[in-house]
Amino acid sequence: KAGVTQTPRYLIKTRGQQVTLSCSPISGHRSVSWYQQTPGQGLQFLFEYFSETQRNKGNFPGRFSGRQFSNSRSEMNVSTLELGDSALYLCASSWASNTEAFFGQGTRLTVV
Amino acid sequence: AQRVTQPEKLLSVFKGAPVELKCNYSYSGSPELFWYVQYSRQRLQLLLRHISRESIKGFTADLNKGETSFHLKKPFAQEEDSAMYYCALSGGLIQGAQKLVFGQGTRLTINP
Repeated sequence: KAGVTQTPRYLIKTRGQQVTLSCSPISGHRSVSWYQQTPGQGLQFLFEYFSETQRNKGNFPGRFSGRQFSNSRSEMNVSTLELGDSALYLCASSWASNTEAFFGQGTRLTVV
Repeated sequence: AQRVTQPEKLLSVFKGAPVELKCNYSYSGSPELFWYVQYSRQRLQLLLRHISRESIKGFTADLNKGETSFHLKKPFAQEEDSAMYYCALSGGLIQGAQKLVFGQGTRLTINP
């Protein structure tokens, strides 16, 4: 079966703009989590959605938001981009809250 | 505060030698511990979790609550074990099983 798919794979944006990243989970998975990966901070949890509801949130400013649709696909949005938002954004999906998380390939965001 | 520490950024061993990747954690409660692996040009994937007590690809990890450690071990390293390894914890079902806190990772290189 198809794995977790993230689009786009690469993105270049200008400071101050906003961006939307997409994640399609494995079919049947209802939980989608997002992570930011940077060389300095490593992998950091952003938020988790389950059945269209945000169930958990990390320590990121309100500029970072997300949502999940009825088909479990998820999007995350970053508004008023800053240079420090340049990172690899990873999405992970799982069937239930305590089952294995499967990661996507990530979206590489560069803010210039 | 929840924290995962992997003291070695880089670890290099010869093929056939034993491998131990160190992981220490701090968590006020009963966490679930995981090891994730990322092979070159592949996605981050789960290697093993402490509750399953399995041996995957010859790797084992024992949770030592007294020393708050979850070191990953393999008695005889193989060249295909070269990868980036991440230790991670979650708060389980109560505090969010999908909210993973990752260590900074250890890059393991197996020399022929």
